[in-house]
Amino acid sequence: EVQLLESGGGLVQPGGSLRLSCAASGFTFSTYALSWVRQAPGKGLEWVSTVSDNGGSTYYADSVKGRLTISRDNSKNTLFLQLNSLRVEDTAVYYCAKGKSGYCSGGSCSFDYWGQGTLVTVSS
Amino acid sequence: EIVLTQSQGTLSLSPGERATLSCRASQSVSSSYLAWYQQNPGQAPRLLIYGASNRATGIPDRFSGSGSGTDFTLTISRLEPEDFAVYYCQQYGSSPLTFGGGTKVEIK
Repeated sequence: EVQLLESGGGLVQPGGSLRLSCAASGFTFSTYALSWVRQAPGKGLEWVSTVSDNGGSTYYADSVKGRLTISRDNSKNTLFLQLNSLRVEDTAVYYCAKGKSGYCSGGSCSFDYWGQGTLVTVSS
Repeated sequence: EIVLTQSQGTLSLSPGERATLSCRASQSVSSSYLAWYQQNPGQAPRLLIYGASNRATGIPDRFSGSGSGTDFTLTISRLEPEDFAVYYCQQYGSSPLTFGGGTKVEIK
């Protein structure tokens, strides 16, 4: 059974940093692209970032480029998202999501499994 | 960037009725790389349809997807109580991938 379990969310002040993790199991981690998708309270879904299966390629939404960094550790089946220079508008539930196919062209995939999400609140 | 418009903000329907949800793209979606997701309150999205018309694993056959180019449709043939939720379309044919704003299907 595929499982994705996010952690690391919390309350942080504007300008602060946070590191999210997503522990995966139930599939061959190193052969799938993975992404972060966020959802602000009461709003829709917004793609944030994708990393290729081997970690060699990363893709970001313009709204987070230069502030958020996606990475993965295939030896530990874990996906990460480093959030720096956080803004109030970054407040959201952050989901990790598994690409349905092994390759996502330009970082674009459909997502067949999602974690339960972790809430990041940016507020003073 | 491809903008996806789900013009029906809310659909009010009764159990047993047919639901037809639309998703219109600002540009043609490459290779019909269009997906639909269902999201219940407090839960993660669930993949229903990929490639515009392919049901994901475990999805009941009352859910069907159709369309190509810029116009796509998700049809729920007969609404069950558990189908009242928010539905999002997503295109993954070009970068960046984008989501529609969602359609809420509520009990009338």
